[in-house]
Amino acid sequence: ETVMTQSPATLSVSPGERVSLSCSASQSISSSLAWYQQKPGQAPRLLIYTSSTRATGIPARFSGSGSGTDFTLTISSLQSEDFAVYYCQQYNNWPLTFGGGTKVEI
Amino acid sequence: QVLLVESGGGLVKPGGSLRLSCAASGFTFSDYYMTWFRQTPGRGPELVSYISHSATTIYYGDSVKGRFTVSRDNSKNSLYLQMSNLTAEDAAVYYCARDRLRFSSSWVHDFWGQGSLVTVSS
Repeated sequence: ETVMTQSPATLSVSPGERVSLSCSASQSISSSLAWYQQKPGQAPRLLIYTSSTRATGIPARFSGSGSGTDFTLTISSLQSEDFAVYYCQQYNNWPLTFGGGTKVEI
Repeated sequence: QVLLVESGGGLVKPGGSLRLSCAASGFTFSDYYMTWFRQTPGRGPELVSYISHSATTIYYGDSVKGRFTVSRDNSKNSLYLQMSNLTAEDAAVYYCARDRLRFSSSWVHDFWGQGSLVTVSS
């Protein structure tokens, strides 16, 4: 099983800041990586897939990069609605697996 | 708009059974692979089961194999998860989710339901 490790576990930031979230895979996953955002009591929301492709309706301030084992989600200017938990998910190796999440808080 | 609504969750005793349903609307349900995930507090989602658009391909996670059964009724735009011999480790919020691609599996899920809470306790 491919283990996904996200860092940091918690990120304390202010609105308007640029933030970068990291995700590492225990083995190569090519570019088969997705990012999801989850707010309390809500379902996950797809942000990015294939490492860098924004899902429909996702603002341009969200961007993804990386390939192989190391990936980054960047939010260029954090908005109030972006405070949430972010999960990475690999789908190159079976079974598909998620990281433990990074909580972005004020 | 795409809408997925789970139902059927609740409190069940260890060893008991429960059937979850997921009602889909706003898209051609019969065109899409569907997946059940579950999530416990503070952890990422875990894939439980998926079923292809025509129900010819089905997968179960190792932790539920032999105890859970996924099915779908395309005429009713509905997805189901029959869960039996439940243990405390099965307690979670269960989500149904749609694969991003039609007639294929991308393993990326673009729409998720709001979840159904399953509690296993005596």
